[in-house]
Amino acid sequence: DAKTTQPTSMDCAEGRAANLPCNHSTISGNEYVYWYRQIHSQGPQYIIHGLKNNETNEMASLIITEDRKSSTLILPHATLRDTAVYYCIVRPRSGSGNTGKLIFGQGTTLQVKP
Amino acid sequence: EPEVTQTPSHQVTQMGQEVILRCVPISNHLYFYWYRQILGQKVEFLVSFYNNEISEKSEIFDDQFSVERPDGSNFTLKIRSTKLEDSAMYFCASIRGLGTGELFFGEGSRLTVL
Repeated sequence: DAKTTQPTSMDCAEGRAANLPCNHSTISGNEYVYWYRQIHSQGPQYIIHGLKNNETNEMASLIITEDRKSSTLILPHATLRDTAVYYCIVRPRSGSGNTGKLIFGQGTTLQVKP
Repeated sequence: EPEVTQTPSHQVTQMGQEVILRCVPISNHLYFYWYRQILGQKVEFLVSFYNNEISEKSEIFDDQFSVERPDGSNFTLKIRSTKLEDSAMYFCASIRGLGTGELFFGEGSRLTVL
């Protein structure tokens, strides 16, 4: 089962920042936080990941709290094309028994409105 | 940008028929996965594959399912005798290594069982 909790849905105005929260209170020290999204029924798309430091790439920023129990994905200027289901996933680093799989929860449906 | 390709994009079959879904992972990737997504539901892990053998499988992946990497490029999912409840999107994914890299997903194959 997924080890994260996300709101079921959120709305965001086009051009504004979208802030998507995720709780992962049981995260362990060797687990990363990953964010993926799924536009309509397309294949999931990687967005960003992090361990404990904040991360930024061309798509988004990831803010992880100091205790690592929660994080926020930030889309700085949401567009209509960012309408999708966003998944927050915790995944262990490589190690014994780790097969690299991702376990998806229900995610947050983000609706960007004009 | 390298991508995971899947064929067919859509297959319609009669209940009880065998189906083979094909995937071409990214060429230097070593770990391969199949997921499925029933309409309106979450993305579910089926199986992971490494070094020509299954490394992990879920409860969904019963004796009706099998995977194979018949040559250096293709990765297939076979359903021996399809049931109505096998109707879903099936996604293939691959990753180069088990570090912190991203899982790349294909666009999916939609299977409709009548």
